[in-house]
Order: sequence, then C-alpha cells, then structure tokens
Amino acid sequence: AQKVTQAQTEISVVEKEDVTLDCVYETRDTTYYLFWYKQPPSGELVFLIRRNSFDEQNEISGRYSWNFQKSTSSFNFTITASQVVDSAVYFCALSEANTGRRALTFGSGTRLQVQP
Amino acid sequence: GAGVSQSPSNKVTEKGKDVELRCDPISGHTALYWYRQSLGQGLEFLIYFQGNSAPDKSGLPSDRFSAERTGGSVSTLTIQRTQQEDSAVYLCASSRDRTPNEQFFGPGTRLTVL
Repeated sequence: AQKVTQAQTEISVVEKEDVTLDCVYETRDTTYYLFWYKQPPSGELVFLIRRNSFDEQNEISGRYSWNFQKSTSSFNFTITASQVVDSAVYFCALSEANTGRRALTFGSGTRLQVQP
Repeated sequence: GAGVSQSPSNKVTEKGKDVELRCDPISGHTALYWYRQSLGQGLEFLIYFQGNSAPDKSGLPSDRFSAERTGGSVSTLTIQRTQQEDSAVYLCASSRDRTPNEQFFGPGTRLTVL
C-alpha cells in the first residue's frame, strides 16, 4: 500500500531564511506521481507541483524548488528567502498510475510559520 | 473560469440525522474526488468518480456514507445517521481526466455533529 510521511509537524523560521520540507513516500507501483499542495489559513488547498516517477530532474519555480530522489524515495520542497505569505500547511501527496487508484494519498502535512 | 464549488460551507447537525453535501466540479472535468480532513486523521480519500465508470468507493469509512454523481457533473455525498466522529471538513476535488493530473480543490464543507 502507498504511504507518504512528512516527519516535520511544524517548522518556524524567520523571514528570508531558507527552509526545506521533507517528504518520504512508499509505493509498489513502478509509475507514480508526486504532488505538493499548500493550504493557507483560508483553508483551500492550492496545487504547487506534480512530478512523475520517470522524471528525476529537479524543478525550480521562483523561490520554490523541489528535489526528487528515487534512490531515497524522497520528494523534498525548499522555499528560498521565505516570506510571511508562505505561512501555511504544506502537504505532500502520492498517486499511483498502474493500480487504478487515482486518488491522492496525503502526508500528515507540515505547518510552516514564517515570522517577520 | 469558475473553480470547484461546494455547499453548504458549514453544516451543523444533530447526532443521528442525515446530511447531504454538494460538489460542483469544474466544467469539463471528468474525474471527481471526495476527501475528508479531520484533526485526528489528516486528509483521507473517500470516493472517486471517473466518467461513467463504477466509482472507487474504497475510502468510504462505513456504509453510512454514500455518494452519487449525476450526469457526470454534480456530486452529492450523503452521510446517514451522523455520528460525532463524522465531524470534519469534507473536500471535493476535480481533475481533467484519468491521468493523475493536478486536482483542483473546493473550499470544503465544515460538518459539525453535535
């Protein structure tokens, strides 16, 4: 069965610091997709990125970057020069392609607090 | 364009009553998902609809929970004989097709069972 672990329950940083959110996953499927979602205080989940299991290239989008490593089953998320608006709960999620289970399996989330 | 909408935004009910939660997916999205977010259990999958295929009900926690999707669009999640442990935020999401694309989430319905 699939599983996503976000070991960091809560992280607090000061504005402009870099912060990395960890995500470790388990799956028996050979083809799978990994996601990060942001849930700000307003509550609505916002999609950040999707990565498929065949593409291990790191991705950068502005201050956000993602490091996907199949060897360690990790898909970590780094925010560079954090800002107060980055304060939110961040969820890592997994979807399997071959088992027919399209739904997302979420990690427990990491609450990020960015202090001014 | 319009995003996923859900109604009501808040629902307070008494234990033992039935409730219906509604989801309007993004137009043209063939896949629709229901999830539940609670303090103790995090974000849990409930049920998945894809086009005219039989739904994946593997996440429904008990037979008190059911859902339907009419005309491939609007979906209703029904909880019968509600219990206090059903209190949670119920989230609906939709995506374009079968492939694991980005799921767009609605704002959720906060259900409180007294």
